[in-house]
Amino acid sequence: DSGVTQTPKHLITATGQRVTLRCSPRSGDLSVYWYQQSLDQGLQFLIQYYNGEERAKGNILERFSAQQFPDLHSELNLSSLELGDSALYFCASSPGVGGDTEAFFGQGTRLTVV
Amino acid sequence: AQRVTQPEKLLSVFKGAPVELKCNYSYSGSPELFWYVQYSRQRLQLLLRHISRESIKGFTADLNKGETSFHLKKPFAQEEDSAMYYCALRDNYGQNFVFGPGTRLSVLP
Repeated sequence: DSGVTQTPKHLITATGQRVTLRCSPRSGDLSVYWYQQSLDQGLQFLIQYYNGEERAKGNILERFSAQQFPDLHSELNLSSLELGDSALYFCASSPGVGGDTEAFFGQGTRLTVV
Repeated sequence: AQRVTQPEKLLSVFKGAPVELKCNYSYSGSPELFWYVQYSRQRLQLLLRHISRESIKGFTADLNKGETSFHLKKPFAQEEDSAMYYCALRDNYGQNFVFGPGTRLSVLP
């Protein structure tokens, strides 16, 4: 167990809908990262938050947004869902300070858009 | 900008054969490199990091700054090594982790 918790584990929804994925980082970790893993695309970095503020942005669509709350948990909001959004969404956390800190991953949320 | 490349999408070897998964990076500063492993679409787990210079499950990786590489090696592959392997670089400035596209290792009996 990495200490990173993601909910829900599975989500099935229809095109055009909006969903929220939740991530609780390891205790004490200030950085949260979101990644999308599609079958044919590998691990795509979406966005990073550090202590409540957006730190880095990757290939995140405008239909997607995220935030990190004062208690450091994070939510990824996906709206106007399309079939191509079906993927595994991983959250990871790290202490976010110097040193050889690694990223700890959650088990992912499997999103299926039908 | 930092970037990680893994030229092989799929690598198949026979059990007992040596294996090398390639990773190259581009980064202007002093990088921190990691290898992560993912078994059967489970969570990614850290395999090893260059700074600790350790060997995990028989795997080693050496950072070659001249060639900007961090290849993962194992002298004798086992069937249980079959998994997806991701090379990652940590950006010290932004604390961001950049992952390569991954290499699927298949160890055949």
